[in-house]
This record gives sequence, structure tokens and C-alpha cells, in this order.
Amino acid sequence: GAVVSQHPSWVICKSGTSVKIECRSLDFQATTMFWYRQFPKQSLMLMATSNEGSKATYEQGVEKDKFLINHASLTLSTLTVTSAHPEDSSFYICSAPTGGGGTDTQYFGPGTRLTVL
Amino acid sequence: SQKIEQNSEALNIQEGKTATLTCNYTNYSPAYLQWYRQDPGRGPVFLLLIRENEKEKRKERLKVTFDTTLKQSLFHITASQPADSATYLCALDMDSSYKLIFGSGTRLLVRP
Repeated sequence: GAVVSQHPSWVICKSGTSVKIECRSLDFQATTMFWYRQFPKQSLMLMATSNEGSKATYEQGVEKDKFLINHASLTLSTLTVTSAHPEDSSFYICSAPTGGGGTDTQYFGPGTRLTVL
Repeated sequence: SQKIEQNSEALNIQEGKTATLTCNYTNYSPAYLQWYRQDPGRGPVFLLLIRENEKEKRKERLKVTFDTTLKQSLFHITASQPADSATYLCALDMDSSYKLIFGSGTRLLVRP
């Protein structure tokens, strides 16, 4: 079946540094990918929609200058957390649908655990 | 805004029994309602999708029902096994956009 990968699976960084997380669709092309964030014991919250070849669209309350998204190819989207702070520590998960129209399966990546010291 | 409630934070059942998980939502019905399984430290895994105009869907030991009048979906796992122990998430796609609103999940524990 379709697979979505993320890299790295975990990262620890110092406060003030930037961290890049990659999301790849391994055997299908994804013009759209999504980025979610999950805090401990909470559910996933949609952060933004990553669109291949155009700007990402962000959900209300998500700072676009802090969470930079680039979708440079049909199989890769990146999320960069800029000037990370401890409150940005979370589990970041991407997803990609395999087709169009809402009926196709959406695959999630395994997640990236970010810890900011 | 849309709110989703999943019946209980945790559900503890005996192996072989049927687990029934509930997902209730407010406001208008989604185009699609989906159920996912999430294991600790992992991303969600898609299980079943049901459309607004469908009443029931089945896949092996899994069954999902969707009642737009009650604004409720029920998720059943029959003949439950310890390997079914995980957190189960209900998610709504309101407009076929693939953008999902997730419930907080129900943690299922199946005792041997």
C-alpha cells in the first residue's frame, strides 16, 4: 500500500534554532499534503495545507512565519520550525491523500517528535 | 465551530467481546467520517471511511455506523483481541477537502 515517510523520526534542539522536518510520499504523487501537530494526550490538530508549486495555507492561529512549509515536488513537503522554543515541542505528523475528491485513502507519516530544550 | 466528542477516554474489555466506540459531533454533518487507529508514538492508520449518505460500512471484524440525525458514529470491533489495544480516533472531513478534524480519541485495552 501507499506509504508516507517522515525524517527525522525525532529531533532534540536548543531554543532559538530552526528544525526542518521532511515528509515524503514514497510510491505516489501528492499535490497536497497536510501537517498536523499533536501534544501529549491530545488529538491531532491541523496546522496547514501544503500545496505543490504554491503557497501553503495555514489554519487559524498558526503562525506562517514560524512554521515555514515548502512543497517543492510532488513527493516532498518540508516543515521548518523557525526559532524553536520549548512550547513548540510536540509530535508533528504529515499526511497525504492518494487521489482527489475526499473518498481516497489518506496516509499518515509515522510522525516526528520535536523536543526543544 | 465543529466539536467532536468520543465517548470515553478509555475502554477496557475482555478478549473476545465486542468493543463499541462512540463519536458524536455538533453542527452540520461531514461529507465523510473516518476512523483511525493510533499506536503510541506513531502516526494514525486509516481503518474505515463512511459517507454522509451511508448508514453502515464493514471491513473484516470492523463495523462503522453513521447516523446524521443523531450526529453520531459508532465503531465496533467484534471478537476483540489484545492486539486491538490502541487509541482509536474519529475524524471528520467536512467538505471533501481531506482536511480532517479529529476527536480526542478513545484508548481501548483488550484484556487476555
